[in-house]
Amino acid sequence: KQEVTQIPAALSVPEGENLVLNCSFTDSAIYNLQWFRQDPGKGLTSLLLIQSSQREQTSGRLNASLDKSSGRSTLYIAASQPGDSATYLCAVFYNTDKLIFGTGTRLQVFP
Amino acid sequence: NAGVTQTPKFQVLKTGQSMTLQCAQDMNHNSMYWYRQDPGMGLRLIYYSASEGTTDKGEVPNGYNVSRLNKREFSLRLESAAPSQTSVYFCASSEGSLRSPLHFGNGTRLTVT
Repeated sequence: KQEVTQIPAALSVPEGENLVLNCSFTDSAIYNLQWFRQDPGKGLTSLLLIQSSQREQTSGRLNASLDKSSGRSTLYIAASQPGDSATYLCAVFYNTDKLIFGTGTRLQVFP
Repeated sequence: NAGVTQTPKFQVLKTGQSMTLQCAQDMNHNSMYWYRQDPGMGLRLIYYSASEGTTDKGEVPNGYNVSRLNKREFSLRLESAAPSQTSVYFCASSEGSLRSPLHFGNGTRLTVT
């Protein structure tokens, strides 16, 4: 069964910390992986998309890596800020034409 | 640039009532999608439309119908609402298939009593 798991479910850190969010998937036959941000009461905003042939993507303070062989992706947030507080979701697009979402990591960055 | 617009934002229905959720995008995207988001279950695909004039079932289509009215608009209809359909509904669009980045609306929070 194709599943996507995100650990931890919730994370609370002080401002300025570098942090890592984890996403694991059970089937390595993926086409791409996307990281999204969701603010309370809002929709999802696409942050980064990594193709299966890539190992990482960067956008500002965000860096996402992909290791297909181990079934893992990490989202690295550098120098976290209170404005980074949100739920972060990963979604894996499999070669079977299915997009599977994880249940997210709820991040709180306090001043 | 509005992106993906959903209406209404909130709705309360009684069991058996019907309603239509509206979605419109102004990005000239070919593909549009309806998801539901439930606590602890992630987002699940209800229906999608790969292009104007086509619609297909997703993972959880039972109890729903859709209409791709034109390239911009994709509506979701609940003919006879049930408490199990209490959820947050998101519309999304993309240039091509699910391989392309998805753009989401802000959601409709639906409660069925």
